[in-house]
Amino acid sequence: GENVEQHPSTLSVQEGDSAVIKCTYSDSASNYFPWYKQELGKGPQLIIDIRSNVGEKKDQRIAVTLNKTAKHFSLHITETQPEDSAVYFCAARGSGGSNYKLTFGKGTLLTVNP
Amino acid sequence: SAVISQKPSRDICQRGTSLTIQCQVDSQVTMMFWYRQQPGQSLTLIATANQGSEATYESGFVIDKFPISRPNLTFSTLTVSNMSPEDSSIYLCSVSTSHTGELFFGEGSRLTVL
Repeated sequence: GENVEQHPSTLSVQEGDSAVIKCTYSDSASNYFPWYKQELGKGPQLIIDIRSNVGEKKDQRIAVTLNKTAKHFSLHITETQPEDSAVYFCAARGSGGSNYKLTFGKGTLLTVNP
Repeated sequence: SAVISQKPSRDICQRGTSLTIQCQVDSQVTMMFWYRQQPGQSLTLIATANQGSEATYESGFVIDKFPISRPNLTFSTLTVSNMSPEDSSIYLCSVSTSHTGELFFGEGSRLTVL
C-alpha cells in the first residue's frame, strides 16, 4: 500500500519568515495530495490540495508543489503569522480500486514565534 | 464543504464499557469514514461506513470492537466496545462528496478511558 513520509516533525520559525514542509510518497499511481491543518482541540481542516496533472498551486500565502518523478510534494507558507501555528498533515490518495482512501503523513508541528 | 457534527465532543469512560459516537452531516454525501487519532499521532482509517450494509474495515480493526452503522446518506455511528485505556484517542468522522473529491473532517470525539 501507499506510504507517506513527512519532514520535519517539528518546525519553529519567526513571524514573517517562510515555512516549508516536505512529503514523499511510495505509490507512483497516487494522483491526489491534500494538506490539512489541525489546531489544538479541533479536527483537521483542508487548506490546499493538488492533483497529479498540476505542478504547483497557490492560495494567498500558501502554495503546494508536486514533483511526480521524484514522488514528493511540499507545502510552502510565506509571511508566517502566529495563527499559522498548528500541526500540518500531508496525505496521498492512489488511483487503484480503493481510490478514496487517503494515507497520511505523521504530521509537522509548526510554531510561529511572534 | 459539508458541515459535520459529532457527538459527544469528549467523554471519560470506564474500562469495559462501550460508547457510541454519532456523526451528522448537513447534506447528503457519497462517502463517510471513521478515523482514529491516538495522542500526538497521525490519522488512521478505521473503516468506511456503507449505507445500508456492513462497514468495510481496515486491517487491524474488527466489527466486534468497532461496530458502525450508516442508516442513510447523512448519519453514521461508531461504537467503541469493551473499552480499555489503549482506546483513548480522538475519533474523527469524515466525509467526501465523491470518490475523487475532497475529504472533510468533523471536530472529533475525544475519548479518555480510565
